[in-house]
Amino acid sequence: QVQLQESGPGLVKPSETLSLTCTVSGGSISTTDYYWSWIRQHPGKGLEWIGYIYFSGSTYYNPSLKSRVTLLVDTSRNQFSLKLTSVTGADTAVYYCARGSSYRGEVDFWGQGTLVTVSS
Amino acid sequence: SYVLTQPPSVSVAPGKTARITCGGNNIGSKGVHWYQQKPGQAPVLVIYYNSDRPSGIPERFSGSNSGNTATLTITRVEAGDEADYHCQVWDISSGGFGGGTKLTVL
Repeated sequence: QVQLQESGPGLVKPSETLSLTCTVSGGSISTTDYYWSWIRQHPGKGLEWIGYIYFSGSTYYNPSLKSRVTLLVDTSRNQFSLKLTSVTGADTAVYYCARGSSYRGEVDFWGQGTLVTVSS
Repeated sequence: SYVLTQPPSVSVAPGKTARITCGGNNIGSKGVHWYQQKPGQAPVLVIYYNSDRPSGIPERFSGSNSGNTATLTITRVEAGDEADYHCQVWDISSGGFGGGTKLTVL
């Protein structure tokens, strides 16, 4: 059974960089069968793609966040990561890492989610 | 980017059928996935590629997709089905979620 676990600071100051890591266990990240994604959810709101990455390093970024987002994959550690620069209060959200099928696109495994609050 | 439109809320009595829609331009040409999310929990996939059910999801959950509307149908609704439901489409260079629908079981 694949498991994903987010890790990183729960509190980030405005204008600083939000950094999160997702550790994948129970399966290899080095496969063309899946993409690896970050999705966030503002309090009481819907889900929002941040972006996704393939183990090759190819990426897709949400156009509304593209200028501030970097996704990286570390196959040696079976991890992928998110960096979001110049954060504001509007970036306060629960951040999920997740695995999606490269063939049909459905997200079949999610991390538990981690709340990141942007505040001074 | 591709816009998906869901009703904010749907209410249904126990034992009845709930239908949650997801609208998009020519969405019938795309694969649509549906997720159930209960408070404080991560989403769970309940329907993938329009109408396929993952293992462990009851047969009461079904999906369809045609024209400009995809629909998640839940028959014989139970109290435990009360949750937010999100639709999603994806292709190799883009992806998006609908705004989510809160299903209330009366």
